[in-house]
Amino acid sequence: DVKVTQSSRYLVKRTGEKVFLECVQDMDHENMFWYRQDPGLGLRLIYFSYDVKMKEKGDIPEGYSVSREKKERFSLILESASTNQTSMYLCAGSGGSPYGYTFGSGTRLTVV
Amino acid sequence: AQSVTQLDSQVPVFEEAPVELRCNYSSSVSVYLFWYVQYPNQGLQLLLKYLSGSTLVKGINGFEAEFNKSQTSFHLRKPSVHISDTAEYFCAVSDPNFGNEKLTFGTGTRLTIIP
Repeated sequence: DVKVTQSSRYLVKRTGEKVFLECVQDMDHENMFWYRQDPGLGLRLIYFSYDVKMKEKGDIPEGYSVSREKKERFSLILESASTNQTSMYLCAGSGGSPYGYTFGSGTRLTVV
Repeated sequence: AQSVTQLDSQVPVFEEAPVELRCNYSSSVSVYLFWYVQYPNQGLQLLLKYLSGSTLVKGINGFEAEFNKSQTSFHLRKPSVHISDTAEYFCAVSDPNFGNEKLTFGTGTRLTIIP
């Protein structure tokens, strides 16, 4: 199985800051995903990537961007953090269809 | 586009009683179906998946799910729950438009086990 590591479990940032959330997988797999999780809304896809330097918008990309310079690393960027971006952020990796995802432990971001 | 409906946001169950968590999906083509579990303060882990073949799928921790194509359902069941099953459960469906690589998740069902 792919192992996915998110560098921070908890983050507190100020409104307007630029925020980087890092995610690393330890296998040579192409597919990586960023979701946010909010109570009552489940998991919503922000961005995903099938290969290096390749990205696709998910369902809620506004206010976010991503970077994938190396296959193992997929970063989520909040260009100017706002309080409505306070959430749990989950990164996932995939070994290719049809195996499903392996998730990281999540980063709980609070924007004040 | 695919979608997933989990009708029950919260399900309380007495310990050692059976439980069923409901999941319905919408898709006009064949898809893959998944159940994930999230324990408090953790990420999601895969419980089981349906890809093809037998409609009854067995997963970890004594859970199983049955794929019903005519009712577009994939309900999760366990005959006897334990305190340690307290968690949030998510149903997910694959998206054939992206080679089944991308998943759409339901809103989750919080299972609470009552001692």
